[in-house]
Amino acid sequence: DGGITQSPKYLFRKEGQNVTLSCEQNLNHDAMYWYRQDPGQGLRLIYYSQIVNDFQKGDIAEGYSVSREKKESFPLTVTSAQKNPTAFYLCASSLGLAGGELFFGEGSRLTVL
Amino acid sequence: QKEVEQDPGPLSVPEGAIVSLNCTYSNSAFQYFMWYRQYSRKGPELLMYTYSSGNKEDGRFTAQVDKSSKYISLFIRDSQPSDSATYLCAIEKTSYDKVIFGPGTSLSVIP
Repeated sequence: DGGITQSPKYLFRKEGQNVTLSCEQNLNHDAMYWYRQDPGQGLRLIYYSQIVNDFQKGDIAEGYSVSREKKESFPLTVTSAQKNPTAFYLCASSLGLAGGELFFGEGSRLTVL
Repeated sequence: QKEVEQDPGPLSVPEGAIVSLNCTYSNSAFQYFMWYRQYSRKGPELLMYTYSSGNKEDGRFTAQVDKSSKYISLFIRDSQPSDSATYLCAIEKTSYDKVIFGPGTSLSVIP
């Protein structure tokens, strides 16, 4: 089955630690995205990538980093510089950098203790 | 002013009711309008995708866009408990632009 796989589903982290969230897709999509979802707020774009080895900052990139070494993979690192990292993180992909249909993973819930 | 606003609810209706979910947006440049459904602790999935004003129907779901009022709606007929989810409206200016999401409306359909 084609889709997007995010791991881990739940993650706990101590303050001051970096953590990396995994996102893998087998849809052969060029574009991949990371969103953050907080209660009462819409999805906010953290980073996106159109092609391998290229990515752009979204609206709330501070305290996050990404890489796109393979078409299928777009991991997100939440660094200790992110002031309020507890959130639900969603990875998505699309055929090209065309909005419209975004295909989402099941999300990763990060809790900072 | 936020670019897209949506009543967060929660909205609770009896099974079989007609549900109306609404969003307003601020910029008349937006041309593409979407509704995503998100079940608890899952990722959103696309329900409806419309361009410009008018109605689009898909089974029990109807998406309506009124660009003159900057108002978009999703109607659910004969609502079912399986429709219980959060519904996110989303907009974009062009098909190659960033998608902007509303905060979502939480819907519960009571058997």
